[in-house]
Amino acid sequence: ETGVTQSPTHLIKTRGQQVTLRCSSQSGHNTVSWYQQALGQGPQFIFQYYREEENGRGNFPPRFSGLQFPNYSSELNVNALELDDSALYLCASSSLTSFEQYFGPGTRLTVT
Amino acid sequence: AQKVTQAQTEISVVEKEDVTLDCVYETRDTTYYLFWYKQPPSGELVFLIRRNSFDEQNEISGRYSWNFQKSTSSFNFTITASQVVDSAVYFCALSENYGQNFVFGPGTRLSVLP
Repeated sequence: ETGVTQSPTHLIKTRGQQVTLRCSSQSGHNTVSWYQQALGQGPQFIFQYYREEENGRGNFPPRFSGLQFPNYSSELNVNALELDDSALYLCASSSLTSFEQYFGPGTRLTVT
Repeated sequence: AQKVTQAQTEISVVEKEDVTLDCVYETRDTTYYLFWYKQPPSGELVFLIRRNSFDEQNEISGRYSWNFQKSTSSFNFTITASQVVDSAVYFCALSENYGQNFVFGPGTRLSVLP
């Protein structure tokens, strides 16, 4: 069974740029959720995708957007990067019936 | 609105001591799910347990045990005979609306000293 994978591992961007982060879900899982974890804090829910549609969203502005593909992999896009967007971005996959979320290793984004 | 509180920011114990991590939650839903995750220094969140709101039976898994009490809205986690490898940040989380809304607590950093 393949676990959740994320790419890239680390990324450095400049304020105002755009970034795309990628996630491959665990086999058998059809739901993907994205989280932002600032240093020293708990993960904050960004949004969830199920069957290629957004299925819930946290308190994040529209410049945070996502996609889910037919193979259940997902992308997180962030436009107009701000310094406060520097964080660990975590992807988690689950099945809609079990609700247990399994997390990937994360992408560390630094905005300068 | 849902909320998870972990009042203990940091805990330090000596190896072989027992330690309990507290978690208090708030929700208006009657059906919800509670979770504990471990985040070692490597950064990857590791799933430990899920509990349904309608199942208050406590659970033991090896050195780990969980005490779920709806009357006090608590879901505490105890590690018996702690080991250095238990050192990590532990997060309690709450999910409402059948898994759509997932809220994490701020985490408790556990340091187990040899």
